[in-house]
Amino acid sequence: EPEVTQTPSHQVTQMGQEVILRCVPISNHLYFYWYRQILGQKVEFLVSFYNNEISEKSEIFDDQFSVERPDGSNFTLKIRSTKLEDSAMYFCASSEGAEGFSEQYFGPGTRLTVT
Amino acid sequence: QKEVEQDPGPLSVPEGAIVSLNCTYSNSAFQYFMWYRQYSRKGPELLMYTYSSGNKEDGRFTAQVDKSSKYISLFIRDSQPSDSATYLCARTPQGAQKLVFGQGTRLTINP
Repeated sequence: EPEVTQTPSHQVTQMGQEVILRCVPISNHLYFYWYRQILGQKVEFLVSFYNNEISEKSEIFDDQFSVERPDGSNFTLKIRSTKLEDSAMYFCASSEGAEGFSEQYFGPGTRLTVT
Repeated sequence: QKEVEQDPGPLSVPEGAIVSLNCTYSNSAFQYFMWYRQYSRKGPELLMYTYSSGNKEDGRFTAQVDKSSKYISLFIRDSQPSDSATYLCARTPQGAQKLVFGQGTRLTINP
């Protein structure tokens, strides 16, 4: 069964460093998403991406964040200068389409720890 | 005003019990309501979704939406230890695809 994969599973970085989280969405999906979950808190939407551009972003997704689909398979989230409060699980998701209901399939997540 | 509210639990019940999980929401402009299950160290996995008020059944699981009272429920019959997980309710607003999640309820089914 196709699945969303994410690498690395755990990333430790120092405050102020740049990190890139990587995702491989399901191959025939057209919509891609990033969510995050701070320990003990809700899963929060960060950004959605379609047709090589951001379709929606939350207020969390400020200038420190960027997303890219560098090739036909990868989808990345970059945090330019990490802060302690960026420590969280980051989930990538993908879906076939946005018309009507389209199930979002989640990856296993990347645990980001900023020290 | 929180958009989706869910009691985080934890909730612990014996095997075979009927489990009731609930959420409330505040914004009427919602289109789809979903229940996700999340096992430890895994991403959320869709269990069920509903569009309108009423019940939807899938095996041991029943999702219920009452739009008049802005209430979403998930019932699990004949609960099994393998049902132990965190259950997240979610909704999508009209015209958008982002998911808005509740806090999640951690459920443990004791053998």
